[in-house]
Amino acid sequence: AQKITQTQPGMFVQEKEAVTLDCTYDTSDPSYGLFWYKQPSSGEMIFLIYQGSYDQQNATEGRYSLNFQKARKSANLVISASQLGDSAMYFCAMRERKSGANNLFFGTGTRLTVIP
Amino acid sequence: EADIYQTPRYLVIGTGKKITLECSQTMGHDKMYWYQQDPGMELHLIHYSYGVNSTEKGDLSSESTVSRIRTEHFPLTLESARPSHTSQYLCASAAGQRFPDTQYFGPGTRLTVL
Repeated sequence: AQKITQTQPGMFVQEKEAVTLDCTYDTSDPSYGLFWYKQPSSGEMIFLIYQGSYDQQNATEGRYSLNFQKARKSANLVISASQLGDSAMYFCAMRERKSGANNLFFGTGTRLTVIP
Repeated sequence: EADIYQTPRYLVIGTGKKITLECSQTMGHDKMYWYQQDPGMELHLIHYSYGVNSTEKGDLSSESTVSRIRTEHFPLTLESARPSHTSQYLCASAAGQRFPDTQYFGPGTRLTVL
């Protein structure tokens, strides 16, 4: 079974508008972390935001916020006031404590295009 | 945020050649990782290291090998490149102090094997 599911292969948003990128996850481990990364066309992976499974509040980092709904096992990324530079692939990822070292499970990504 | 470097950024090479992809980080992170990513696809872990002289294989089987002789350096080697090795290779590091320690990525190496 897929650990991370991103159901939106592509999304479009008007500049200055907000956009939500969906992510659902599957785990039986009560202790886990959820991450969002941005990958521009240049290829590097840029860490955006993190949410821990025991965190009581939704994570926020500048224009990025994470809508964490634990019961639904969803961790959607919200980008407010979209900018042209936000056009990129966005990956949701999860790390389970029980996985031991190191497995960071990635989704298949969502390609966001910001329209001027 | 980690400062992590990869060279070369782009490499086009013929079948059968031996190649080494370099990865270095300046933050003193204990954990380092290599991921493979085909265009537009998710990342798959191929190697990781807890520290000096520690290396493990990841989920995705790979013909590559790695070494960790110094904390800051985690090179990946392909003894005989093949067209099936064409992909992007991303190196990452993490402090490893506490779960789930965020992984920070380098700029990647795009490898094309002809």
